[in-house]
Amino acid sequence: ETGVTQTPRHLVMGMTNKKSLKCEQHLGHNAMYWYKQSAKKPLELMFVYNFKEQTENNSVPSRFSPECPNSSHLFLHLHTLQPEDSALYLCASSQERDVVYGYTFGSGTRLTVV
Amino acid sequence: GQQLNQSPQSMFIQEGEDVSMNCTSSSIFNTWLWYKQDPGEGPVLLIALYKAGELTSNGRLTAQFGITRKDSFLNISASIPSDVGIYFCAGQPLYDMRFGAGTRLTVKP
Repeated sequence: ETGVTQTPRHLVMGMTNKKSLKCEQHLGHNAMYWYKQSAKKPLELMFVYNFKEQTENNSVPSRFSPECPNSSHLFLHLHTLQPEDSALYLCASSQERDVVYGYTFGSGTRLTVV
Repeated sequence: GQQLNQSPQSMFIQEGEDVSMNCTSSSIFNTWLWYKQDPGEGPVLLIALYKAGELTSNGRLTAQFGITRKDSFLNISASIPSDVGIYFCAGQPLYDMRFGAGTRLTVKP
């Protein structure tokens, strides 16, 4: 149990589907993040939420839509994805946006777009 | 953005050997962190470094924050099979972390 829970662990979706990834943390953290991890590439920061407000959108295509209803929950809504979007999507949280104590990561959602 | 260059990309070693990997940056970082990712899991924090020159150990792991604040290394002594995984360096320039591409470690019994 890492303290950050992501569901589902695996997801296969067609390019015309709409699906959502969920992230939940009960660590009392105020900042939450979405990262994309592709093979042999650095983790790519997608979105940052600090105190429920989106503070960064790292040039992510609009087919990815984040939602942060409260400090404990973060969603990533997916629609009309492309095969190159297949990757491991990691959620992380930290006390605040200042990462002095590092991030706590979830186990990720392995997404395959067919 | 700030680039992190992590090397080597992969290592194949015999159980009991020592391991060394490093990370360099084009910019100064205020914090360096080292993470390990097991297959099918998210990265887990191993060591965090906050001051230039700082040397910190966590069991068989030792990491240092370079004096120039643009590099860091991680050493693993007397490797064991459960050390297998991907090791990531991460640096914090101001806000948010930047990650290296990872070093994939394989340990042969």
